[in-house]
Amino acid sequence: AQSVSQHNHHVILSEAASLELGCNYSYGGTVNLFWYVQYPGQHLQLLLKYFSGDPLVKGIKGFEAEFIKSKFSFNLRKPSVQWSDTAEYFCAVGADGLTFGKGTHLIIQP
Amino acid sequence: DSGVTQTPKHLITATGQRVTLRCSPRSGDLSVYWYQQSLDQGLQFLIQYYNGEERAKGNILERFSAQQFPDLHSELNLSSLELGDSALYFCASSIGQGMNTEAFFGQGTRLTVV
Repeated sequence: AQSVSQHNHHVILSEAASLELGCNYSYGGTVNLFWYVQYPGQHLQLLLKYFSGDPLVKGIKGFEAEFIKSKFSFNLRKPSVQWSDTAEYFCAVGADGLTFGKGTHLIIQP
Repeated sequence: DSGVTQTPKHLITATGQRVTLRCSPRSGDLSVYWYQQSLDQGLQFLIQYYNGEERAKGNILERFSAQQFPDLHSELNLSSLELGDSALYFCASSIGQGMNTEAFFGQGTRLTVV
């Protein structure tokens, strides 16, 4: 069975800072990779996804992620964060079911 | 609005009781997934149904069961409830049965066991 590990449980940044959230997965076969975001009081929404092709994928709201197969990683990045990016971020692996990491709580300070 | 509807939004019940959570997927979606979200365990995948059939199983307890009906709505049944079952239960739906399609999430049902 697959598993997902997110390195940072809580991250606090100032506006305009750059963001990188780590995600590593464990699975022996082909996987599909996702980042979801959960804004306070809302449901999970898809930020971006990787199925195949270009390992650098761009999502909504200026987010991007890079799939590095050799490192089993799919880190999320954003060059300049905004206060409205405050949310919980989940990395997920689609293989046998859709498995999520424990999430990273991101707080952006104005 | 994701198009996925979950009822009820909140549920408070006593230990030992049984409850049923309901999920209506987005129009046209054939897969339904159930997740349990708690502070200590994060977002745990419970089970997936595709077009009425069980497709994948995660960390679902034997006290829990689910089904997907011909109209594609799904129910998650939780029985012999314990305090530790208190959590947010999410339902998600997607078009396909594989994991290469986007899943859309409902607002969740917050279950409190007292």
